[in-house]
Amino acid sequence: DVKVTQSSRYLVKRTGEKVFLECVQDMDHENMFWYRQDPGLGLRLIYFSYDVKMKEKGDIPEGYSVSREKKERFSLILESASTNQTSMYLCASRLTLTYEQYFGPGTRLTVT
Amino acid sequence: AQSVAQPEDQVNVAEGNPLTVKCTYSVSGNPYLFWYVQYPNRGLQFLLKYITGDNLVKGSYGFEAEFNKSQTSFHLKKPSALVSDSALYFCAVRVPSGGSYIPTFGRGTSLIVHP
Repeated sequence: DVKVTQSSRYLVKRTGEKVFLECVQDMDHENMFWYRQDPGLGLRLIYFSYDVKMKEKGDIPEGYSVSREKKERFSLILESASTNQTSMYLCASRLTLTYEQYFGPGTRLTVT
Repeated sequence: AQSVAQPEDQVNVAEGNPLTVKCTYSVSGNPYLFWYVQYPNRGLQFLLKYITGDNLVKGSYGFEAEFNKSQTSFHLKKPSALVSDSALYFCAVRVPSGGSYIPTFGRGTSLIVHP
């Protein structure tokens, strides 16, 4: 079974802090994704990566950056956390273009 | 814009009754369609997908979905609902982005199955 793990299930940070969310997948998938999930808004794509060192902006990249130095790991960085970034963050991976995604358990981030 | 829509925020059904969760899509070309389920405090799990072929697609946990090209729909169905089916359900479609394709999700439908 594909396994996607996220570094934390729950995280509380203060406004202005730099926040790192890490995602690791164990199935050699090429594509990886970061979403945020908010009630009534569904899933919104922040960034995705086709392969190592490649990244593309999604629908809401402002205030976020990403890093993919190794194929199995995709990091989301909040350079200066703000309260409007309080949300559930979901990581996903996918083998290639036509295949389904596999999701991690999510990180619920609270910025106070 | 290419997208999917889930017209119902919530669907209520009694245990044992058939259930339907609706999804319509708007894409150019042939659609690649997916259904996912999210249980409380969990990530999304893949249920089924339609790429090509038979319009009735069978998936996990007894779910199936019917692709209807003329109505641009991909409704999720189950003949007999269980209380344990209560969850959030997302429809998704593959849309082009640059030189590749990315999934776009609907806003989700909360399914509540009453005992």
